[in-house]
Amino acid sequence: AAGVIQSPRHLIKEKRETATLKCYPIPRHDTVYWYQQGPGQDPQFLISFYEKMQSDKGSIPDRFSAQQFSDYHSELNMSSLELGDSALYFCASSLVGSTEGTQYFGPGTRLLVL
Amino acid sequence: AQRVTQPEKLLSVFKGAPVELKCNYSYSGSPELFWYVQYSRQRLQLLLRHISRESIKGFTADLNKGETSFHLKKPFAQEEDSAMYYCALSAYNQGGKLIFGQGTELSVKP
Repeated sequence: AAGVIQSPRHLIKEKRETATLKCYPIPRHDTVYWYQQGPGQDPQFLISFYEKMQSDKGSIPDRFSAQQFSDYHSELNMSSLELGDSALYFCASSLVGSTEGTQYFGPGTRLLVL
Repeated sequence: AQRVTQPEKLLSVFKGAPVELKCNYSYSGSPELFWYVQYSRQRLQLLLRHISRESIKGFTADLNKGETSFHLKKPFAQEEDSAMYYCALSAYNQGGKLIFGQGTELSVKP
């Protein structure tokens, strides 16, 4: 079965640069979630989208923005990168209203800011 | 405030021994509880959800609302169970985001 796809898998950027992370949800899933997992930390919720509209917002810095497109894929844009942004960024998708509602995770994008 | 607590950062057992990974939560409503597992260099995978009341790979977890706990148990640990285990809470009235515990690394020694 198709899983959540994230690209790129690894990304190295310099401070103050910009990065764009992409997430392709499981087909027919209508909700996308973004999480950030710092070294040795638990995943922290950043932002979510349902049917292309932002549905919830967590501890996402103002330097970050995200959107969900008409094909349901989502992009997380990160500007003015800081050393502390180095982390594993997970995307998850789900089908709201289904009997499951389970979130399925992608493999993550590992971002290193130098 | 909503919170998930996993008190043990590392749990080391021998193969064949029973395992219990502890999870406590605080939430004012009726949460949905999950256990996710992350094997080395792999993505987070759903292991259990409390409403399913099923056993996956020999693991079970019972929601105890009185003690606000959702401990993960397995009677006989296997080496392939070695992984990072995250307990998570979902609040449907808040968009369904997951709130994770700090994770417990389970190491099963031969």
